Amino acid sequence: KAGVTQTPRYLIKTRGQQVTLSCSPISGHRSVSWYQQTPGQGLQFLFEYFSETQRNKGNFPGRFSGRQFSNSRSEMNVSTLELGDSALYLCASSFRTPGGSGANVLTFGAGSRLTVL
Amino acid sequence: AQSVTQPDIHITVSEGASLELRCNYSYGATPYLFWYVQSPGQGLQLLLKYFSGDTLVQGIKGFEAEFKRSQSSFNLRKPSVHWSDAAEYFCAVIPGGYSTLTFGKGTMLLVSP
Repeated sequence: KAGVTQTPRYLIKTRGQQVTLSCSPISGHRSVSWYQQTPGQGLQFLFEYFSETQRNKGNFPGRFSGRQFSNSRSEMNVSTLELGDSALYLCASSFRTPGGSGANVLTFGAGSRLTVL
Repeated sequence: AQSVTQPDIHITVSEGASLELRCNYSYGATPYLFWYVQSPGQGLQLLLKYFSGDTLVQGIKGFEAEFKRSQSSFNLRKPSVHWSDAAEYFCAVIPGGYSTLTFGKGTMLLVSP
């Protein structure tokens, strides 16, 4: 069973540009979450999608956006990049559904390492 | 404020020695509790989780964790550390319901020969 796949793994952008990151969840998983990991702030929640709808959102500016497609694949976009956006962006999927019982056990991908120059 | 605390930023353990990584949380009710491990350049791998029941949970790679309600703690242990255990370890919680996973700042484990 394939794991969570994130592309690209590494990318370099300059300030002011925008970037799109892609995430393919585990087959059968319909919930996708995104996290930003930096040395200073650690792991911070960005947003979560289920059935193409954003279910939860973290405390990030509007430059950070995401979407989910009907096949559960997800993308996140960061516009007008800033130096502080340099980070490892992690995607995770789960089979948990809104209103379902039990905890949301996340399986993470290897991440996309973004460097902003 | 609700939080997850890992008081040790770095820990160095000799290979073959025992390990205990600390985690405390501050939530009103018992949350769902997790430990993840991250090797350099990799994503996060789930080591173990606690939802309810037996307070001592077994995970992968020989790790275990004990939930102590009275101390709001969920410490990770391993009887004998191997050099391949060197990585960063994250404690994480879900407060309950359909809420998001919140991580501690992590503990970097270094294994000395």
